[in-house]
Amino acid sequence: SAVISQKPSRDICQRGTSLTIQCQVDSQVTMMFWYRQQPGQSLTLIATANQGSEATYESGFVIDKFPISRPNLTFSTLTVSNMSPEDSSIYLCSVARTGNYEQYFGPGTRLTVT
Amino acid sequence: AQKITQTQPGMFVQEKEAVTLDCTYDTSDPSYGLFWYKQPSSGEMIFLIYQGSYDQQNATEGRYSLNFQKARKSANLVISASQLGDSAMYFCAMRETATGANNLFFGTGTRLTVIP
Repeated sequence: SAVISQKPSRDICQRGTSLTIQCQVDSQVTMMFWYRQQPGQSLTLIATANQGSEATYESGFVIDKFPISRPNLTFSTLTVSNMSPEDSSIYLCSVARTGNYEQYFGPGTRLTVT
Repeated sequence: AQKITQTQPGMFVQEKEAVTLDCTYDTSDPSYGLFWYKQPSSGEMIFLIYQGSYDQQNATEGRYSLNFQKARKSANLVISASQLGDSAMYFCAMRETATGANNLFFGTGTRLTVIP
């Protein structure tokens, strides 16, 4: 398994500002993902964080709005830029290893934009 | 088309009874994996059980078992001897292997309430 931590666990932010969410894993992992869960909804993949290269974004998500970094095999950040109330969600980091079916999630960051 | 369908928005079960949460999936990929996660009110996603498309036997993990019916494309979760702590949202998810993307597609979830 993998132990995943996220910071912050929750935040309340003003419209127009940006927030960077950190994801730290206790061991090296091949794949790191960022998901969004809007209130009362299911999880939607934002992007796959690639180590040493640009993230791969899903349809509907763009780098300018959700820049992602992954400097090594245990750490990634997601920034939510120029926030609006529609960005109020839980943001979850998830990890997996090549050849291993297991996929684990961090505790999530609960973001409220006012 | 939805890749994962969960048709039960909410379910109730008496404590100590068994409950089945439904999940159907849609894929043309011959190799895929099916997952169930539990999400309590705290928001974390807790991995419960996994079934590979080539697995011959249904997966089991303690009180959780997965009723895998490949021809019907269903992967129902069975929770035996329900406990009050089982009250949570439950999500079914699928990973398609052929694309190499490794990301999960999630259903809309089922809210389970265990009644004392």
